[in-house]
Amino acid sequence: SAVISQKPSRDICQRGTSLTIQCQVDSQVTMMFWYRQQPGQSLTLIATANQGSEATYESGFVIDKFPISRPNLTFSTLTVSNMSPEDSSIYLCSVVGPAGEYQETQYFGPGTRLLVL
Amino acid sequence: AQTVTQSQPEMSVQEAETVTLSCTYDTSESDYYLFWYKQPPSRQMILVIRQEAYKQQNATENRFSVNFQKAAKSFSLKISDSQLGDAAMYFCAYRIVYYGGSQGNLIFGKGTKLSVKP
Repeated sequence: SAVISQKPSRDICQRGTSLTIQCQVDSQVTMMFWYRQQPGQSLTLIATANQGSEATYESGFVIDKFPISRPNLTFSTLTVSNMSPEDSSIYLCSVVGPAGEYQETQYFGPGTRLLVL
Repeated sequence: AQTVTQSQPEMSVQEAETVTLSCTYDTSESDYYLFWYKQPPSRQMILVIRQEAYKQQNATENRFSVNFQKAAKSFSLKISDSQLGDAAMYFCAYRIVYYGGSQGNLIFGKGTKLSVKP
């Protein structure tokens, strides 16, 4: 399995500002994902972060609001732009198994808890 | 539509007892993987157990086992000898494998909150 770290672990932000969340994996992985988990809810996929190309966004999520970078096979960032209180959630980075290992299982980072005032 | 249904929003079990969490899913595909994830209060999503749909044998990981009924599209999780540390949200999920090897997104249920009483 992969070891995933996220920064920051939590933050309190003012509405209208932006926050960039970092995701670092201890090995090269092919697929990285960003999820949102609103309070008391299940996980919702925001986008798939593609190395060397634009991210693929799910319905209801747009690049202007959630720009994503994936500069290499071990790192990605998600920015939550022009935040509103509705963006208060836990944001989780997830990866599929490292290259050469099982590709069907996803592992998750510890999450970033965001509160927007 | 691809859906996962966890019909028990909350469950409770006595320490050292056994509990079963239910999960049903809906897909017309024949090749897929099924998962149970655990999310304790720390919010870390932890893989509990994984099942390949083409395998008839139920997966087992120590105190955790599944009852996989492919025809019924049912994938329940049994936790034996429950421990206080098992208290968490449990999410059932599946991923389709398409012809050629590409895979779909992970589809989650809404979760079951498990409490363990000492």
